[in-house]
Amino acid sequence: DIQMTQSPSSLSASVGDRVTITCRASQSIGMYLHWYQQKPGKAPKLLIYSASSLQSGVPPRFSGSGSGTDFTLTITSLQPEDFATYHCQQSYDSPRTFGQGTKVEF
Amino acid sequence: QVQLVESGGGLVKPGGSLRLSCVASGFTFSDYYMAWVRQAPGKGLEWVSYIGGDGTTIYHTDFVEGRFTISRDNAKNSLYLQMNSLRPEDTAVYYCVREGRIWNSLDYWGQGTLVTVSS
Repeated sequence: DIQMTQSPSSLSASVGDRVTITCRASQSIGMYLHWYQQKPGKAPKLLIYSASSLQSGVPPRFSGSGSGTDFTLTITSLQPEDFATYHCQQSYDSPRTFGQGTKVEF
Repeated sequence: QVQLVESGGGLVKPGGSLRLSCVASGFTFSDYYMAWVRQAPGKGLEWVSYIGGDGTTIYHTDFVEGRFTISRDNAKNSLYLQMNSLRPEDTAVYYCVREGRIWNSLDYWGQGTLVTVSS
């Protein structure tokens, strides 16, 4: 199985900060890497697919980059509604696998 | 708009069974792979199973292989997860999810249904 490792597992930030979360795959996955946002008690929501494509309706302060094994999710100018947990996931191979999540908090 | 509505969760004893259902609307159900993803309390996301649009392609992760069975009824726009021999570690919110057609991202999620396995 492809292992996905996110870092950090949590981070403290303030409104207006630039936040970067990384995700590393145990083998090359091309651009089959996706990012999800999850708020407490809610289902995850797709933010970015194929490493860098913004899902419809997602604000442009979210961006993704990377290919192969190393990927990054960046939030420029963090907003109050962005405090949440972020998950990466690979769909290059089965079973699909997720990172352990990164909680962005005050 | 796309909607996925799960049902069937609840409290069950270890060794028991449950059948989860998910009704889809707002898209051509048979055109898409569908999946179940779960999340144990306070834990991360864990992908469980997927099924192809015509039901012939199926994959289960190792930890549910032989115990869980995914299926679908395209005439009813419905996805199912039959869960047998349940264990306490299967306790989680189970999400019904649509897999996108190009990059296989999980582009729509249901609200989830809670399964609790406890004596």
